[in-house]
Amino acid sequence: DQQVKQNSPSLSVQEGRISILNCDYTNSMFDYFLWYKKYPAEGPTFLISISSIKDKNEDGRFTVFLNKSAKHLSLHIVPSQPGDSAVYFCAAGSETGYALNFGKGTSLLVTP
Amino acid sequence: EAGVVQSPRYKIIEKKQPVAFWCNPISGHNTLYWYRQNLGQGPELLIRYENEEAVDDSQLPKDRFSAERLKGVDSTLKIQPAELGDSAVYLCASRLTGPRVFGPGTRLTVL
Repeated sequence: DQQVKQNSPSLSVQEGRISILNCDYTNSMFDYFLWYKKYPAEGPTFLISISSIKDKNEDGRFTVFLNKSAKHLSLHIVPSQPGDSAVYFCAAGSETGYALNFGKGTSLLVTP
Repeated sequence: EAGVVQSPRYKIIEKKQPVAFWCNPISGHNTLYWYRQNLGQGPELLIRYENEEAVDDSQLPKDRFSAERLKGVDSTLKIQPAELGDSAVYLCASRLTGPRVFGPGTRLTVL
């Protein structure tokens, strides 16, 4: 059973605009959330994380928002750049545990 | 700092053949993971090591898969015999206290 869901397999955004990638989770025990970015033929690379004690975490052009009541998080990229074109994976787990559950990924294409 | 190293990067074998993947984690990272990523899916954990001890292998198909991490450093994942459904990318990751750092993966194709 998929505990982390990314319902949009793909997203296309124009350069300079905002990209919003969404993620839903079902397990209320999850308290640690991460986004990984993956280019073809490379492994996933860590992008940004958020703990459940926060509802927002920002790092440069990347911001993750967490809505615990809705069990929903989103990644905002502003402004989007062609180099952001990649597959983005949402992952969730427990900060004190070791298991990490990944979504199926959203393929982002940023067009010039 | 060198990243997680995996070899080979690509492997094509016929079904029923054995195959092995090697991983060298980041120096000092006690925790090592092997994941499998099927096409269109996210990574799924196969096994987790804390130093040389396999502490979570509940998702490892033990009838054909085996893994070892001698001396608590590099690790080998083996499949014997391989089946068509084993075609996937096998990712190794390591961690000390922060997020997992993934290697580039080994893409396995079973014909």
